[in-house]
Amino acid sequence: QSVLTQPPSASGTPGQRVTISCSGSSSNIGTNTVNWYQQLPGTAPKLLIYSNNQRPSGVPDRFSGSKSGTSASLAISGLQSEDEADYYCAAWGDSLNGYVFGTGTKVTVL
Amino acid sequence: QLQESGPGLVKPSEPLSLTCTVSGASISSYYWSWIRQPPGKGLEWIGYIYYSGITNYTPSLKSRVTISVDTSKNQFSLKLSSVTAADTAVYYCARHLGFCSGGDCRSSWFDPWGQGTLVTVSS
Repeated sequence: QSVLTQPPSASGTPGQRVTISCSGSSSNIGTNTVNWYQQLPGTAPKLLIYSNNQRPSGVPDRFSGSKSGTSASLAISGLQSEDEADYYCAAWGDSLNGYVFGTGTKVTVL
Repeated sequence: QLQESGPGLVKPSEPLSLTCTVSGASISSYYWSWIRQPPGKGLEWIGYIYYSGITNYTPSLKSRVTISVDTSKNQFSLKLSSVTAADTAVYYCARHLGFCSGGDCRSSWFDPWGQGTLVTVSS
């Protein structure tokens, strides 16, 4: 049911920069803000980025978000072992009149 | 803090009922959602509710879903009728932050989430 497309996996060594893309359409990302969630193994998702590029209190500044047109990106700078998790983008879908999530990206720290 | 509760096993064709108990916040102050995640798969938004009774459901589940709120208990609930094995999932409740108005929550996000509860549909 996901209408936001993410790469299934991404990886990097400690200290590297990793970028995750989230591709949508004019009826979701194109007109609405994007949020990102981090899901550590065996736990509930946690808010990571809201309103395209805002970090909640407590989220390290090595996480950053951006949006351009109908796509969004999450960047992790200075990758750390504790960043190994699944990452999901999300946005409102106008045609669905509800939320849509991305397909999810598993980040592995090599 | 949010805590889901309910049966972990439901028989096919029977209804699934879950409750989310909210602590540390008034349920009347926010919009609240249910989200599910089948084992090994991605997230699916089910629907949300406001204390006034405003609801919005995802189209694919709309005919089977009811979300209700009990302000006296600071709880909201999910009922999904006629379940099948495809409804087996971890079910999360979550609070909306950001901006919701008149049932439109396009400018909001989910924070925090409950820990989730696994519901298995099997005979």
